[in-house]
Amino acid sequence: TQLLEQSPQFLSIQEGENLTVYCNSSSVFSSLQWYRQEPGEGPVLLVTVVTGGEVKKLKRLTFQFGDARKDSSLHITAAQTGDTGLYLCAGYNAGGTSYGKLTFGQGTILTVHP
Amino acid sequence: DTEVTQTPKHLVMGMTNKKSLKCEQHMGHRAMYWYKQKAKKPPELMFVYSYEKLSINESVPSRFSPECPNSSLLNLHLHALQPEDSALYLCASSPGQGYFSSGNTIYFGEGSWLTVV
Repeated sequence: TQLLEQSPQFLSIQEGENLTVYCNSSSVFSSLQWYRQEPGEGPVLLVTVVTGGEVKKLKRLTFQFGDARKDSSLHITAAQTGDTGLYLCAGYNAGGTSYGKLTFGQGTILTVHP
Repeated sequence: DTEVTQTPKHLVMGMTNKKSLKCEQHMGHRAMYWYKQKAKKPPELMFVYSYEKLSINESVPSRFSPECPNSSLLNLHLHALQPEDSALYLCASSPGQGYFSSGNTIYFGEGSWLTVV
C-alpha cells in the first residue's frame, strides 16, 4: 500500500507570511499533482510534476518534486487571504494494481488571516 | 475548457429513496471517475470507467450503482443509502486511465453534496 504523508495538517498564518507544505512517501511516484479545494467546491488542479528535481512556479506558488520522486513540496510566498483552502497532494505510480488510481495525502487546511 | 459538470449541486434523500447523480464532460476524455469525500478529508476513489466500461470498483456497496451511457456522461444511481453515506460526491475525468502526467491529468467537478436522512 502506497502512502503519502502530508504535513502540516493545519496551518494558520497572517497575510504576507510564507509557508511550505510537504508530501513525503517511501514509494516512488511516476507523477505528483497538487490540488486546492475551497469549501463546497471540487479540487482544482494547480500543477503536475513528473521529473525528479523538477521545480514549477505558478505566480506566488513554487512546487518541487524530489530527486528520487518520493517527495514534493508546495511553497507559497506572501500568502493572501484568497489562498485559504484545503491543499491536497496526489501521487500516481504506473505499476501494478495502482493503474488509474491516485494516492492522496491527508490534506493541509490553510487559513490565511487578514 | 476543462469543465466537468455535476448535477444536482445538493441532494437530500431518505433511506428508502432512489436518486441519481449526473456528471458530464465535453473534453473528449475517455476515463471518468466517481470519488467520495468527507469533510476536510481527501477524496476516496469509488469507480473508474475507461472507454465506457467499468475498469475499477473499489469494493463499493451495491447501493451505489454507476452507469456510463456514453463517453461524455457518467451517472451514479443511489438506492437504500445510509446516513453515513452523506458526503460530497465528486466526478472527475481524464484523457485516459493510467499514467498521469502533464498530458494526462484528472479534472474534478464541483461535486454533489448528498445528505441521507
